[in-house]
Order: sequence, then structure tokens, then C-alpha cells
Amino acid sequence: QVHLQESGPGLVKPSETLSLTCTVSGGSLSRYFWSWIRQPPGKRMEWIAYTSYSGSVNHNPSLNSRATISVDTSKNEVSLRLTSVTSADTAVYHCAGHMWGFRGDAFDVWGQGAMVTVSS
Amino acid sequence: IVMTQSPATLSVSPGERATLSCRASLGVGSKVAWFQHKPGQAPRLLIYGAFTRAPGIPARFSGSGSGTEFTLTISSLQSEDIAVYFCQQCDTWPVTFGQGTRLEIK
Repeated sequence: QVHLQESGPGLVKPSETLSLTCTVSGGSLSRYFWSWIRQPPGKRMEWIAYTSYSGSVNHNPSLNSRATISVDTSKNEVSLRLTSVTSADTAVYHCAGHMWGFRGDAFDVWGQGAMVTVSS
Repeated sequence: IVMTQSPATLSVSPGERATLSCRASLGVGSKVAWFQHKPGQAPRLLIYGAFTRAPGIPARFSGSGSGTEFTLTISSLQSEDIAVYFCQQCDTWPVTFGQGTRLEIK
């Protein structure tokens, strides 16, 4: 059973860079494409980016190139960097995985999320 | 693609049927998934491909629809079904999500 655990700073100051890590355990990193998805308070989920095991990535244009996703196969970790944060980036950040052509490409594994607050 | 869910909140008596709707602003075929999300927990995949239950999901959960209109039905509401339910279109990247329906016990 794949388990995802997000970790991050909790509090980030405006204009700084947010860094989050997702540790994948209980399964093979190579089977999935790994995404970061966030949910601001009272708002809907927003997909941020995905990466494959081999580093093939795709980012949501809505983030205006502020987001960078990466994978470290030696540590079984998927990371997210988000630059120039503002209060609008305050959200619960989830790590999730999907497999192309399997289960309708739906995210079938999720972490419980890490709350990040942007405030001075 | 904008996913719009209705209603925002649904109150249903135990044992009764709950019907949740999701509308896509563009046709997405059958590539819609439904999730159950309880506070502090990881979202749980219920339905994918509009109507296929994910492994381990009870038979009281069913999905239907295609194109732009989709429905999640819980045939007989149990207390453990209290949660927020949201839909996702898996057809076009960036994938997008509905704003959620909060399901309450009446």
C-alpha cells in the first residue's frame, strides 16, 4: 500500500520561496506520475504540477512559472518549490499519484496534506 | 475546463439516497473521478471513468453520466459517509476540480 507524507515549513514570509517534500513509501516510485495539488481555505483543489520517475514534468500555467517540481529517486521523494509567494498561496498542499491509462488517469493515491501559511 | 458541483451542501437522513451533481464547462467524455474527503485525511478515490468504483469502495456508491453532466449517488446514506465530495475531470491538462459538496446528516 503506497503511503505519501508531505512535509514543509508551515509558515513562509511573503516574497520568499516555499519548499515542500513528499516522501513515498510502500510502493514503487516508478509506477506513478506524481503531482502536487493544493487547496486554499474555502476554495477548490488546484493541480500545480506533475513529474514522472524519470523527470518528465508538466506545470500548470496558472502559476506563471513560479512552481518547480522535481523527483529524487534515491530518497523516494518528490519536491515542490514555489517562488515569490503571497497570501494567495496559503493552502493545504497535497501530494498525489496517478498512472496513465489506469483508473481513468485519476489520482488514486493521496497524502493527507501539509498546511502552509504565507504571512509576515 | 470548469467543474461546477451542486448543491454546495446536502442534508440527507440516514438510509436515504444522496444525489450529487457535477457539470463540466466542456465535454470530457467519461473521464471524471469522484473523491471523498474527510477533515485531516487524504482524499479517497471513489469513482473513476465516470462510473467505475475504485477497489474497496462499497456498492452503495455509484457514478453516472458522460459529456458534461455527471452524478454521484449514495444509495443508502451511512454515518461514515459524512464528508466533502468533489469531482475531477481527467480529460484535459491542467486537470481541474469541482468546488465540492458538503454532505451532512439530517
